[in-house]
Amino acid sequence: EPEVTQTPSHQVTQMGQEVILRCVPISNHLYFYWYRQILGQKVEFLVSFYNNEISEKSEIFDDQFSVERPDGSNFTLKIRSTKLEDSAMYFCASRGQWNSPLHFGNGTRLTVT
Amino acid sequence: GQQLNQSPQSMFIQEGEDVSMNCTSSSIFNTWLWYKQDPGEGPVLLIALYKAGELTSNGRLTAQFGITRKDSFLNISASIPSDVGIYFCAGPDRGSTLGRLYFGRGTQLTVWP
Repeated sequence: EPEVTQTPSHQVTQMGQEVILRCVPISNHLYFYWYRQILGQKVEFLVSFYNNEISEKSEIFDDQFSVERPDGSNFTLKIRSTKLEDSAMYFCASRGQWNSPLHFGNGTRLTVT
Repeated sequence: GQQLNQSPQSMFIQEGEDVSMNCTSSSIFNTWLWYKQDPGEGPVLLIALYKAGELTSNGRLTAQFGITRKDSFLNISASIPSDVGIYFCAGPDRGSTLGRLYFGRGTQLTVWP
C-alpha cells in the first residue's frame, strides 16, 4: 500500500538554527498537510497546501514556518529559527480528494536543545 | 478551535476483554474519524463516520456517530495484544475542508496477555 514517507526520523538541532523536515506524499495525492504533536499532547494542525499554495494555516504556523513543494514529489516544512518549544513530532499527511481521509507519515521527531 | 474530549484517558485490560471509549464535543461535527497511533508511528485511520446515527464496523472495531452529532464511540471486541496503542478521535473544522482536523487527547490502551 502506498505510504507517506518522512525524513529524517529524528532531528536534533540547537536553538536558533534552521531545520528542514522532508516528506514524500503519496504520489497521486493533491492535498498536503503538516501536523505536530508535542510529547504527551494531542495532534495539532499546522498548515494545508494545495495547488502550490497554502490554503489554510493555524495560529501555530507563524512567520518562522514555511512550506514548499520544490518538485513533483517532495513537500518540506522549514523552521527558520528554532525555539525550545518547537520540540515535537511533526507529521506530514496527504490525501487524494478533498473529501477523502488523511494518510499520515511516521513523523519526524524534532528535538531543540 | 473546537475541543474534543476523549475518555477514558487510559485503559488497562486483559486480552479477550471488550473495550469502549468515547469522544464528545461542544459543537457539531459532520464527520467523525477514529485513528490509532502505535509508538513511533503516525496515526492510522481505523474508521470514518459521515452520517449521524451511522454504525460502522472494521473487523473487531465498531464505531458510531452520535445522533446529536456531538459524540462518537469506538468499541473493540475480544482485544488482543496488538490492540495496544493510543486511539484518537478526530473531526474536521466545519469551516474548512476535510483536511484540517481537530484531535482528542487520545485513549492509551494497554492489553495484558
